[in-house]
Amino acid sequence: SQELEQSPQSLIVQEGKNLTINCTSSKTLYGLYWYKQKYGEGLIFLMMLQKGGEEKSHEKITAKLDEKKQQSSLHITASQPSHAGIYLCGADKGTSYDKVIFGPGTSLSVIP
Amino acid sequence: DVKVTQSSRYLVKRTGEKVFLECVQDMDHENMFWYRQDPGLGLRLIYFSYDVKMKEKGDIPEGYSVSREKKERFSLILESASTNQTSMYLCASSLLASGSNQPQHFGDGTRLSIL
Repeated sequence: SQELEQSPQSLIVQEGKNLTINCTSSKTLYGLYWYKQKYGEGLIFLMMLQKGGEEKSHEKITAKLDEKKQQSSLHITASQPSHAGIYLCGADKGTSYDKVIFGPGTSLSVIP
Repeated sequence: DVKVTQSSRYLVKRTGEKVFLECVQDMDHENMFWYRQDPGLGLRLIYFSYDVKMKEKGDIPEGYSVSREKKERFSLILESASTNQTSMYLCASSLLASGSNQPQHFGDGTRLSIL
């Protein structure tokens, strides 16, 4: 069965610094989603990537899907305290009905 | 924007009680999902539904049932609550689009404690 790994598990950065979170799949990714979760709350959809080499941006967050479609990275430029939370990647299971497998999450803290 | 509303943010129930968690979405989505989220175990799919009155088991359906009588509403039922069902429960919905993947949109979650 497909598994997703995320690295790092947790991250503490100074406000204004750039950072990268990685998501690696044991199988080819057909659809890759990035979500953000504030502590104790639901998941907020950030971006979806489907094509190898695809790159999307939302405000200061950029996500890429590598050509081989087995890894995605999420890059935050000039981090702010509002970026703090848990970032989860999710991958389409390749079945119908949009079933998704999720990674374990990366916890991000931004120190003012 | 998609709005997925879960009826309670926090809920405390007793062992053996029948518990209902309600989820409503306002975007006419065909697919709806129930997950539980636990530290170290991540998000695990309990049940999903792709149409009214249709349901499919997810990865951990034991001890749970679901009901979907109307397209916008998906209910999760704990038949006889047990302490190991203490968890964060998340509802999600997505649009059924032929030939393309659609992201799931989540509610704010219900933190359920079983005493």
